[in-house]
Amino acid sequence: GQQLNQSPQSMFIQEGEDVSMNCTSSSIFNTWLWYKQEPGEGPVLLIALYKAGELTSNGRLTAQFGITRKDSFLNISASIPSDVGIYFCAGQARFGNEKLTFGTGTRLTIIP
Amino acid sequence: NAGVTQTPKFQVLKTGQSMTLQCAQDMNHEYMSWYRQDPGMGLRLIHYSVGAGITDQGEVPNGYNVSRSTTEDFPLRLLSAAPSQTSVYFCASSYEVGRSEQFFGPGTRLTVL
Repeated sequence: GQQLNQSPQSMFIQEGEDVSMNCTSSSIFNTWLWYKQEPGEGPVLLIALYKAGELTSNGRLTAQFGITRKDSFLNISASIPSDVGIYFCAGQARFGNEKLTFGTGTRLTIIP
Repeated sequence: NAGVTQTPKFQVLKTGQSMTLQCAQDMNHEYMSWYRQDPGMGLRLIHYSVGAGITDQGEVPNGYNVSRSTTEDFPLRLLSAAPSQTSVYFCASSYEVGRSEQFFGPGTRLTVL
């Protein structure tokens, strides 16, 4: 099945640093979503993007829907310890088709 | 609202045993789905349902059955467990068919020996 390429696979950063991660696909998506998963929990929706070029923020998180519709980016500014977790991108290929394709995740570790 | 709930949290089975993973949501969501999560593989869709009485296969349906007799419940059945089904299983729901935002339960960690 199709999967999204997510990079980097893991990140080790110091508290206070900014974080950038991205997700790419060989095919076009009409919706991009970003989820965060903490140990022992299910993924939690962070940001949803619906339009090419769209830039959306949720607190210190900012995500962008790539202009080619084949990629998306997530930035976290001024990281804090509670940002630790695995970040997943997900894409929906067609409006009205509820199936999501998920990336393989970026594991974020913060060094105090 | 409790959101999406899953039981059990953990389960160990022997090869060949059968069991049902429970999923319920109290948000009156139309769409429900089951995913499995394996290391390095992300989340893969097993089965989904767009409403009571309607189910369909996802990406990796073999070895699993589902039914949707009510809007609230969407159980996943393993007919004859195999070690390859060792995984973490997540149930998710969306308030409207066609909406991409899905809300996930806490997961069931299944080990098949």
